[in-house]
Amino acid sequence: GAVVSQHPSRVICKSGTSVKIECRSLDFQATTMFWYRQFPKQSLMLMATSNEGSKATYEQGVEKDKFLINHASLTLSTLTVTSAHPEDSSFYICSARDPGGLEQYFGPGTRLTVT
Amino acid sequence: AQSVTQLDSHVSVSEGTPVLLRCNYSSSYSPSLFWYVQHPNKGLQLLLKYTSAATLVKGINGFEAEFKKSETSFHLTKPSAHMSDAAEYFCVVRGGNNNDMRFGAGTRLTVKP
Repeated sequence: GAVVSQHPSRVICKSGTSVKIECRSLDFQATTMFWYRQFPKQSLMLMATSNEGSKATYEQGVEKDKFLINHASLTLSTLTVTSAHPEDSSFYICSARDPGGLEQYFGPGTRLTVT
Repeated sequence: AQSVTQLDSHVSVSEGTPVLLRCNYSSSYSPSLFWYVQHPNKGLQLLLKYTSAATLVKGINGFEAEFKKSETSFHLTKPSAHMSDAAEYFCVVRGGNNNDMRFGAGTRLTVKP
């Protein structure tokens, strides 16, 4: 089956710094990728939809200047959390849609801790 | 807009007894529905999916779900629970203009010995 990877799997950063999370589709090209956030003991909430070569579409309430998304190639999307604060600590999960548009595959997630 | 409601935040069963995790959906379109499982501190694993074919869907690890349009439901069942089934389960709907996936709040399944 199709594989989506994320890097890093865990990251700890200091408050006020920025951190970048990568999402890669390893064996297929994904024109559309999605970023989700999951707080402890809560569900996954869609943050934004990322389309290759165009600006991301953000869900209501998600600050686009804080969560920068870049989808520069068909196999890579990045999420940069800028000026991170402890309340940004969360589990960030990406997913990639296959070229046929019928399947969506999830990455293993990245646990961000902001101290 | 599409959404799912998981009717129970926590379900507790004894090992060897049946499991029922309830999910109702709301969608303006013909939806695709999924069940995912997430073990503690792990990623998501797809259990099964419904995409307008057979209404009774069989998944991995003995789970199955039945799509009932008249009841707008997609409940997950398993005849006999194992200790290893203890996890968080998410019902997910896909559809709408963007064809994105929306997650339910989750149901935590506890299996007692």
